[in-house]
Amino acid sequence: AQKITQTQPGMFVQEKEAVTLDCTYDTSDPSYGLFWYKQPSSGEMIFLIYQGSYDQQNATEGRYSLNFQKARKSANLVISASQLGDSAMYFCAMRGVGGADGLTFGKGTHLIIQP
Amino acid sequence: GAGVSQSPSNKVTEKGKDVELRCDPISGHTALYWYRQSLGQGLEFLIYFQGNSAPDKSGLPSDRFSAERTGGSVSTLTIQRTQQEDSAVYLCASSLAGQVETQYFGPGTRLLVL
Repeated sequence: AQKITQTQPGMFVQEKEAVTLDCTYDTSDPSYGLFWYKQPSSGEMIFLIYQGSYDQQNATEGRYSLNFQKARKSANLVISASQLGDSAMYFCAMRGVGGADGLTFGKGTHLIIQP
Repeated sequence: GAGVSQSPSNKVTEKGKDVELRCDPISGHTALYWYRQSLGQGLEFLIYFQGNSAPDKSGLPSDRFSAERTGGSVSTLTIQRTQQEDSAVYLCASSLAGQVETQYFGPGTRLLVL
């Protein structure tokens, strides 16, 4: 079975600061993918970034980077220079090759950026 | 190009009625997924289609739930004899293929069962 743990139910961050959202995972699949999604109040799930378990380098997408520590089974999302529009729910998710067919999601972190 | 679309965006129904939710995936995406998001349960995976086939239906909450996909494109999720606990947001996603490829989500259907 796969499990995603997000230990921060909510975070308040000052605008322009960097923020790290924690995610740890558990899986028996040797190969898997890790994903972060943003869900603003409108409800749509927006894909942010992907990390493959065999990728040698940490994934980056603009202001988003994924701090992947395989031995620790962690996949933290780092948002640099936060903006007011970053306020949203953030979900960490994973899918294993040969495992469950759908994504396994964490419970999410509600990020609020303060001016 | 166009993203994943879902209809209706909102649905209010009475307990005991049947509802049909529709998902139109991104063109060319062979894999299609249904999820349910509710306050108590978070995001739950329901079912996955590769083409028109659903290899695993075990994620469906009960036998009142069924889903089909025709022509490798549009999918419908049907809930029969709706119950109040079925109230949730039903999200559809698609990906280019299965495995660990990125899934892109639609805006969801908000279902309220009175």
